[in-house]
Amino acid sequence: AQSVTQLDSHVSVSEGTPVLLRCNYSSSYSPSLFWYVQHPNKGLQLLLKYTSAATLVKGINGFEAEFKKSETSFHLTKPSAHMSDAAEYFCVVSPNNNDMRFGAGTRLTVKP
Amino acid sequence: EAGVAQSPRYKIIEKRQSVAFWCNPISGHATLYWYQQILGQGPKLLIQFQNNGVVDDSQLPKDRFSAERLKGVDSTLKIQPAKLEDSAVYLCASSPPGAGVNEQFFGPGTRLTVL
Repeated sequence: AQSVTQLDSHVSVSEGTPVLLRCNYSSSYSPSLFWYVQHPNKGLQLLLKYTSAATLVKGINGFEAEFKKSETSFHLTKPSAHMSDAAEYFCVVSPNNNDMRFGAGTRLTVKP
Repeated sequence: EAGVAQSPRYKIIEKRQSVAFWCNPISGHATLYWYQQILGQGPKLLIQFQNNGVVDDSQLPKDRFSAERLKGVDSTLKIQPAKLEDSAVYLCASSPPGAGVNEQFFGPGTRLTVL
């Protein structure tokens, strides 16, 4: 079965410090992996996606993620947090092109 | 380019009542998805349409939930009768032909509260 585990339900950082949101996946095949962000009362927005090309994926708003097959991980990072980054983040695995399995989400809080 | 539109944005009903949600996907998008997002959880796919045909409805509780996309454009999701555990945000998403989930655009969602 395909699934993702977001290791932290809540992460709190200070503005200007690095962000690390952790995600592990399980998949029988080489999956596609995504990170989405959800701001309050807004739709889900795609941050970045991995689809078997370069293992280091750069996304919008300075975020990036590295696909590590040996560790079955796809952690999301950003060098310097901004107040506007405060939101819910979802790691998603897709074993094929028609099915997506969302993680439970990580709420990011950014302190001034 | 206009995004995925959903209405209403909020709905409060009592249990055993009926409710319907509407979704208008991005123009030209052949694939349409309905997700249920319960508070504190990630979205769960309920049903996927390709044009006006159902591709996957394996996680749709068919005893109370129904969805249609009659002309291959707009879609409605209905719950009849609603239960307390149906309280959630219902998200609609669409993707262009051939893109599948690799290029999925989400609407703002409809927040349903069942009392």
